[in-house]
Amino acid sequence: GAVVSQHPSWVICKSGTSVKIECRSLDFQATTMFWYRQFPKQSLMLMATSNEGSKATYEQGVEKDKFLINHASLTLSTLTVTSAHPEDSSFYICSARDGSGRHQETQYFGPGTRLLVL
Amino acid sequence: SQQGEEDPQALSIQEGENATMNCSYKTSINNLQWYRQNSGRGLVHLILIRSNEREKHSGRLRVTLDTSKKSSSLLITASRAADTASYFCATDANDYKLSFGAGTTVTVRA
Repeated sequence: GAVVSQHPSWVICKSGTSVKIECRSLDFQATTMFWYRQFPKQSLMLMATSNEGSKATYEQGVEKDKFLINHASLTLSTLTVTSAHPEDSSFYICSARDGSGRHQETQYFGPGTRLLVL
Repeated sequence: SQQGEEDPQALSIQEGENATMNCSYKTSINNLQWYRQNSGRGLVHLILIRSNEREKHSGRLRVTLDTSKKSSSLLITASRAADTASYFCATDANDYKLSFGAGTTVTVRA
């Protein structure tokens, strides 16, 4: 149980285009989803927290107009990198927690999406 | 923001040996969690220890927590080649947001 998927697993795009990444909880309802960014050989940095049906909360230094997050249902959150530039190239990972489940403090992570902007 | 510091940054051991890594943090926490990440993959949740717990076991994993020193350790006993990965500690300060440490890269030699 507690499986989270991400799509696509990798994407290459041209500078200036927008890229959408999907995060789905497959067998539980994700009351909260989190988006992280990870640079090579570095740790994960929390970008934003999204709760179903409400606006995402962004961490300091993360541009909300650049990284659009939508959490339209209890099983799906999307991250759209708008007008992507080479410096946006990174590994994006989502996680989800089941606020009604027994293990409310545990986050279940997706496999990540590698973005390369040329 | 990142509040965890981990050491060592990298660890190379022989199969069958034990691996110990440490994590220190700065602020009060509700719980501390350990995750494993294989190269280029997502994170796998290993174990969660609450602030009122001092030690926890799960299979070959043993985690300790010392809130007075704001530190935690992860011990992997009888390591296997499949344990080769990066290990991260993450703290939850009671808002479900996780703040990750820098990670320890563990290499288990056959």
